Amino acid sequence: GQSLEQPSEVTAVEGAIVQINCTYQTSGFYGLSWYQQHDGGAPTFLSYNALDGLEETGRFSSFLSRSDSYGYLLLQELQMKDSASYFCAPWDSNYQLIWGAGTKLIIKP
Amino acid sequence: NAGVTQTPKFRILKIGQSMTLQCTQDMNHNYMYWYRQDPGMGLKLIYYSVGAGITDKGEVPNGYNVSRSTTEDFPLRLELAAPSQTSVYFCASSPQPSPGNTIYFGEGSWLTVV
Repeated sequence: GQSLEQPSEVTAVEGAIVQINCTYQTSGFYGLSWYQQHDGGAPTFLSYNALDGLEETGRFSSFLSRSDSYGYLLLQELQMKDSASYFCAPWDSNYQLIWGAGTKLIIKP
Repeated sequence: NAGVTQTPKFRILKIGQSMTLQCTQDMNHNYMYWYRQDPGMGLKLIYYSVGAGITDKGEVPNGYNVSRSTTEDFPLRLELAAPSQTSVYFCASSPQPSPGNTIYFGEGSWLTVV
C-alpha cells in the first residue's frame, strides 16, 4: 500500500530553523515534492528531489534519502509569513502525486 | 498572468442540487486535475485529464463527472449534491506529469452542501 507520514503540527520561533520530516511508502517512486499552503490559499510548489541529497532554494532546503524512504524540508531564518501547512508529496509509479495531511507550521514571535 | 482560474469561489448548494465548477487555464498545459481538500486534510484526486477528450478517475470520483472538450477547460460536475461533498475544490494543471514538474493550482472553490 501507500502511506505518508509527517508531523501534524510543528511550532517554532521567528528567526529560528525548523525541520519537517517525511517518511513515505509508495508503489514505485520517482521523487519527492514539497508544497506550501497558506490558510485559505492554494498549494504552491516549493521544491523537488529526484536524487539523494540536499536541494537548496533560498531559505528553504529539501533533503531526500531514497534508501530510507525519508525526506525533510528545512526552513531557515523563519519569518511570520512562513506560517502555513507544508506537504511532502511523493511521485508514484503512475506519475501521480501522493498527498498526506501535511504539517501545520506555527511560528511564534 | 491568469494561470488557472476557477469559478465560483464560494457556493452553497442544497442536498440533491447539481452544479458545475468551472476551470480554465491559459498555459497550454495538457494535464489537468480536480482535487478536493477536506478541513485539516491533504488533497484527494477526483479526476484528471491528459489532454482534450481524455479523462480518467482519480481516488474519489463517485458523485462527480468531468469533461475535457478543449485544452483550456476542465469543468467538474456535481450531480445530486450530498453533505459529504462539502469541501474545498482545487483545479490544477501541469505541462505533463513528469516527476518534478510543477503543478499549478487555482485559488479554490469553497462548496457547502446543506
